[in-house]
Amino acid sequence: DQQVKQNSPSLSVQEGRISILNCDYTNSMFDYFLWYKKYPAEGPTFLISISSIKDKNEDGRFTVFLNKSAKHLSLHIVPSQPGDSAVYFCAASGNAGNMLTFGGGTRLMVKP
Amino acid sequence: GAVVSQHPSWVICKSGTSVKIECRSLDFQATTMFWYRQFPKQSLMLMATSNEGSKATYEQGVEKDKFLINHASLTLSTLTVTSAHPEDSSFYICSFLPTNQPQHFGDGTRLSIL
Repeated sequence: DQQVKQNSPSLSVQEGRISILNCDYTNSMFDYFLWYKKYPAEGPTFLISISSIKDKNEDGRFTVFLNKSAKHLSLHIVPSQPGDSAVYFCAASGNAGNMLTFGGGTRLMVKP
Repeated sequence: GAVVSQHPSWVICKSGTSVKIECRSLDFQATTMFWYRQFPKQSLMLMATSNEGSKATYEQGVEKDKFLINHASLTLSTLTVTSAHPEDSSFYICSFLPTNQPQHFGDGTRLSIL
């Protein structure tokens, strides 16, 4: 049973446009959510996180939105750049980032 | 900051060989660290949670006698895949959990068992 799902395995966006990556979760005990970016043959790199007491967190070009009632979060990247091309994983935790449950990942391709 | 060094990055070995993977935090300390495994086109799956000086806690379905974890210090942990077989071929990734920070991951080790 996948507790964290990323239903889009891939996403293609034009440079300069907005990229929206989506993530759904089922476990209502999750209270901390993170987005990681991963290049091939490398470990994930932390991007941005959000606590369940918030519904939005912004850091530069990256904004994460959390809709607790829908158990849905999204990552917005604007403007998208070719260097953003990677696999993005959302992750959830029930205790402030300790044990993470990862989604299946979405491969983002930003075209010049 | 928050650099995690994981070695080796790629290992190819014969079936039956034991392989040790090292994970070291270079500029911070952490009591808790994790080992993950990622099969092709799948997500990262947690294998075990380890606290420095204690025995690791393994996730369901992960054999503790096959995947030996040594977490002897706040900056170093090793994962030994004992008597590896082709089905153990995977991408293994470690992470450390510094206080009040998100998990920081190593670059992973690609293990290929022939």
